Amino acid sequence: DAGVTQSPTHLIKTRGQQVTLRCSPKSGHDTVSWYQQALGQGPQFIFQYYEEEERQRGNFPDRFSGHQFPNYSSELNVNALLLGDSALYLCASSLRSSTDTQYFGPGTRLTVL
Amino acid sequence: DAKTTQPTSMDCAEGRAANLPCNHSTISGNEYVYWYRQIHSQGPQYIIHGLKNNETNEMASLIITEDRKSSTLILPHATLRDTAVYYCIVRAPNTGNQFYFGTGTSLTVIP
Repeated sequence: DAGVTQSPTHLIKTRGQQVTLRCSPKSGHDTVSWYQQALGQGPQFIFQYYEEEERQRGNFPDRFSGHQFPNYSSELNVNALLLGDSALYLCASSLRSSTDTQYFGPGTRLTVL
Repeated sequence: DAKTTQPTSMDCAEGRAANLPCNHSTISGNEYVYWYRQIHSQGPQYIIHGLKNNETNEMASLIITEDRKSSTLILPHATLRDTAVYYCIVRAPNTGNQFYFGTGTSLTVIP
C-alpha cells in the first residue's frame, strides 16, 4: 500500500518563475491538503481539496493555487515566485468520512534564487 | 490561533520512557487530540490520536485527562531514532479545519 507520494523531491527556481508541485494521496483517501514549512517553523496550512474543489484556505495569497483531479491526486501551483517562497512543501491526504487523520508525504524542497 | 501549549524542548535517556505533555484547555467536545512527529527535513509522521479515552498503538500511548484539558504522549522505551519535533494538535474531524502545528516539542534522546 503506497503512502503519499510527492514530486519532485527538490526544485530550484528563480524569482518571478512559476512552479507546479504534484501529490498522489494514500490509497483510498479522497482529501488532499497542502502545507508550507519554512526553515525552523512548523507546517503552515495553504489549502485543502475535496471533490475537486478548494474547501478551505489558509492565509496565503492568490499566487498559490491548486487543483484536484478525479483520481484524487493534486497539484500546487505558485506563480511569480519570491525568495520567501523557499520552503518545504508538504502534501497530506485523508479520508473525509473517517476520523480524518492526515498522512503526510516526504515533501518537495523548493529553493528560489 | 494556537490551541495547544507544549514545552519547547525536552531530553530523554535512551531506553527510558519519554513523556511529552500538551495543554489544550480550550478543547471543544468534538475535537480530537492528534500527535505527529517530524524528523529533520522529512514529512510529519502520524503517531496516535484520541478523543477522551487513553489510546495505545505500536508506537506510543496517549493519556488524556478526564477533563480533556491536557494530554501526555508516552514513548515507552525511547531510542535515538525517536529524536524529533513532536506536535500536539487538536482538531474536529471532517470539518475541513486545518491542522495547526504550532512549534512543537523538540525531543532529544541521549545515549
